[in-house]
Amino acid sequence: DAKTTQPPSMDCAEGRAANLPCNHSTISGNEYVYWYRQIHSQGPQYIIHGLKNNETNEMASLIITEDRKSSTLILPHATLRDTAVYYCIVMIYNQGGKLIFGQGTELSVKP
Amino acid sequence: DAGVTQSPTHLIKTRGQQVTLRCSPKSGHDTVSWYQQALGQGPQFIFQYYEEEERQRGNFPDRFSGHQFPNYSSELNVNALLLGDSALYLCASSLSGDTSQETQYFGPGTRLLVL
Repeated sequence: DAKTTQPPSMDCAEGRAANLPCNHSTISGNEYVYWYRQIHSQGPQYIIHGLKNNETNEMASLIITEDRKSSTLILPHATLRDTAVYYCIVMIYNQGGKLIFGQGTELSVKP
Repeated sequence: DAGVTQSPTHLIKTRGQQVTLRCSPKSGHDTVSWYQQALGQGPQFIFQYYEEEERQRGNFPDRFSGHQFPNYSSELNVNALLLGDSALYLCASSLSGDTSQETQYFGPGTRLLVL
């Protein structure tokens, strides 16, 4: 499974867009990029995933570069409740995908 | 639509004891994965159950075992508990099929403390 690299921490002002980067330079053609977040002591929450096209849902947008070696999760209007650890994961479906979590990015949204 | 549920929420055991944790998947899901999350670390994959069989396993000793029932619920058993087994145990459910996408949805976890 490809590994990912994320900055350990980031700050964002409330109401502004939060842009969380992720490098996955060894990703293979059939691996998806998944984003989860974990608020302190709770179970991880699924945010969004994509293969090669940009994706948007009610929570966030996912921008994947053309070479697929990196991606950016965008929270368009961050709120204090978006403070969490954000995990970028690449996963291949192979009779049961397993998520390999790294250390993630600790996002602090400040008033 | 009920999400993934886990029981108990908290548990305290002593070294050498055995523990059983339970998970009910999200409605419509047939696959259950278990993860262990030590304090300050990301979750680590333990194993995954599908059609009542272990389909994939992470790097965990045989003290960790599981079971899946016909209603897709699952149990995680840990024997001969060690202090290092203290962690948040997470269950995630998903739907297996022909799709190449399996999104896993997590429960709130069971926090196990071994003394």
